[in-house]
Formats: sequence, structure tokens, C-alpha cells
Amino acid sequence: LAKTTQPISMDSYEGQEVNITCSHNNIATNDYITWYQQFPSQGPRFIIQGYKTKVTNEVASLFIPADRKSSTLSLPRVSLSDTAVYYCLVGDMEAGNMLTFGGGTRLMVKP
Amino acid sequence: DAGVIQSPRHEVTEMGQEVTLRCKPISGHDYLFWYRQTMMRGLELLIYFNNNVPIDDSGMPEDRFSAKMPNASFSTLKIQPSEPRDSAVYFCASRTGTSGNTYNEQFFGPGTRLTVL
Repeated sequence: LAKTTQPISMDSYEGQEVNITCSHNNIATNDYITWYQQFPSQGPRFIIQGYKTKVTNEVASLFIPADRKSSTLSLPRVSLSDTAVYYCLVGDMEAGNMLTFGGGTRLMVKP
Repeated sequence: DAGVIQSPRHEVTEMGQEVTLRCKPISGHDYLFWYRQTMMRGLELLIYFNNNVPIDDSGMPEDRFSAKMPNASFSTLKIQPSEPRDSAVYFCASRTGTSGNTYNEQFFGPGTRLTVL
């Protein structure tokens, strides 16, 4: 499983766009990039997944450069309720059972 | 859909006692996972089942831990005897089977916070 590296913590203010970058230099050809979000006292929740280029859903966008060695989760116009830990995971979708959660990025949104 | 259901939500017990955590996955999901989360080690996969059969238990810390899935709608994680270092939040998650190019996200329950004194 590819190892991921992401910042331990980030601060932002309400209304700002937040970009969290994850490094995965050893990503394999069959690997997908997936992001989960975890609020305090809750289990993680799937946010978005991509293989290359850009993916967008109602919650976030995911930008993946051509070499796929990194990815950036973009949260538009964050609110206080976006305060959470964000995990970047890389793995083969078929082997997607073996989710390996790293330390995650603790995002604090301030008023 | 009620989502993944776990019980109890909180458990406080004394060292040496048996602890049983319970999980009801989302109906129709083929996979069930048990995770443990602590401040020191983060979120770790303990074991997962496919169609009620244990597939990989390499994450189970030691023989004191055991997990069963007697049917598609119920699983247990048992710790016997419990130790203070087992204190953690234990999550159960489930998902559907892999289908081609569609990623099947894992749906997590609310967790059981276990404290072993």
C-alpha cells in the first residue's frame, strides 16, 4: 500500500477555500486516491475519490496532477462545521478493503 | 436506512473482564470491518469479513481479541481478558461488494468508546 504524507493540521476562516495536499510518491498504477472526513466522536465518512485529473462533487473537488504523486482536496467556502480530520488514502480499488488511515490533517475553521 | 449500528456506545470495565462489542451492518452489504482508533496509533484495521467469512485478521493485536460474524446482519468483537491498553474507540464499517470500476465506500458506525480501568 502506498504511503501518504499530509500536513498534521491547518487553520482557516469561514468562507475561505481550503486546499489540503497529500503526497503519495509510491502510488501504483491501479491505485485510486480517496479522501475521508472524520468529525469528533464520529466514524470517518467518504468524501471523494479520483484516479487522475479533476473530480468534483457537491462537497469537494479533488485535483490530481499527471504524475499522480500528489493530490489536493479542495473545500470551497468552508464553514465552522467543516472542522474535522481529513484522511488521504491510496489503494487498489479491488483491494479497497484494506483502507490504511494515516494521521490525517486536522482542519480547524475559525469564525 | 439506519446506517451501521454499534452497541454499546460506551463501555467501562475493569481489567480482566470480558468485553463484547456488537455491530449491525447496513442491510445488503457484503463486507464488514472492525477498526480501532487511539490517539497514539490512529485508526487501525483489525479484521474484515466478506459474506460472513473472516478474510484478513492480521490486524488483530493478540489472542485476547476475537471476532465473529454468525450471520449477515450481526458481528461481535470480543476482548478477553481486557487490559487498560485496549482502551480505544472501536468502529465497525460495512460496504457492498466490489463492482467493476465503481468504488464502494465504507460506511462507518458511530463507534464504541471502551475504557478499561
